[in-house]
This record gives sequence, structure tokens and C-alpha cells, in this order.
Amino acid sequence: DAGITQSPRYKITETGRQVTLMCHQTWSHSYMFWYRQDLGHGLRLIYYSAAADITDKGEVPDGYVVSRSKTENFPLTLESATRSQTSVYFCASSESQGAGQPQHFGDGTRLSIL
Amino acid sequence: DAKTTQPPSMDCAEGRAANLPCNHSTISGNEYVYWYRQIHSQGPQYIIHGLKNNETNEMASLIITEDRKSSTLILPHATLRDTAVYYCIVRVATGGKLIFGQGTELSVKP
Repeated sequence: DAGITQSPRYKITETGRQVTLMCHQTWSHSYMFWYRQDLGHGLRLIYYSAAADITDKGEVPDGYVVSRSKTENFPLTLESATRSQTSVYFCASSESQGAGQPQHFGDGTRLSIL
Repeated sequence: DAKTTQPPSMDCAEGRAANLPCNHSTISGNEYVYWYRQIHSQGPQYIIHGLKNNETNEMASLIITEDRKSSTLILPHATLRDTAVYYCIVRVATGGKLIFGQGTELSVKP
């Protein structure tokens, strides 16, 4: 089915481990985004990408790494997970950043770091 | 990007219109008003957006005041499935990031 999919939906890991969250979209959208959502903070932008091989920091990038070798994929890596990174992570995509181009979100990955 | 203010929660009877207000008194001339909603355990869903004129689509209507300092999202016939957190966001047309506030938690009751 077309759309934006995130995997895994749920993940439990330990502090210090590396973990990668996957995001795949089938629309060939240029822009892709990673957000985290925590109680009391709403959604906060971690990183975004305007095209393959172009990425930029958002509001809360520390502790995260992204790459975009292909237009359709935008993985997010926690190189050494910490408890403060326990959160729900959402990936989104949009055709452009222009008016009338909404962001479409995946259903999220619930990440727990013990 | 301008900041928005929304009531934290609202109730609405099923079948009635839900009117969700948003204040954005510092909005600039090139900033659009966007509305998203988030149903529990799902990602945010785009609803509608506008600049000056009122807008309507299959999901909702957006009424923007003439001075653009506030707007109202209208769900004409609310159903139980419309229970969600509704976010009002203002951002510039190009390059502006979506900044989500706390939103309004709408409860539609039978």
C-alpha cells in the first residue's frame, strides 16, 4: 500500500546500545522529517531532509544521526541510547515546503530505553 | 513563526458542530494557519489550511477573522471518531517548520 510506514512499531532496548528507526514513503516526496513526542512537550522536530543527501538539524538533534541515501528512506539512528530518548518517534513527509503541501505522518515508533 | 493559543479541552455532542478556536495575534502577513489532529496512538493528520479566506474541504471548514488574529476550525457534524487532539499551527509558506503546541483535546460524547 502507498503511504508512509515506520518500523518497528515498538522497541525496547538498553542504555548505550545503538538503535535505528526506519521510515519509508512511497510518494517520492522530497521532504522528510523526524519528530519526537513527549508528555508536556508536544511534537518536537529532530531532523529533516529536503532531498537525498541533504539533511538539517531541527529543534532537538543532539544524540541522533540521520541519513538519506535514497529519496524514499530516512532512517534515524540513536548511536548510544539514553533513557531521556524514551519517546514516541514520528516520521513525516511532504512534497515540498510550499503552502498547500501538508506533512503526512506515519503511525510512530514507541521506543523505551531501560 | 507566530505562536498560537488554544483552549486545552472541549466537549461536543455527537452530531453537533464542533467549533475549535485558535488565537494567533502575532501572525505575519506571509504566515498560513494550519490545522492538524492526532487521534490517540496515531500520527498527526492534516485537516486544512488557509491564509486569509475561509476554506472548506471534506473534513472541515476554517474561518479566519478579517484581522487574521484568530481562527475557528469547524467540524460540521462531529462523530465519536473525531475525538482527538487538534493543533492549530501558523507558519510561513515556504521553509517554515511545523511547531506543534499543546493543542485542544476534543471529546465527542454520545
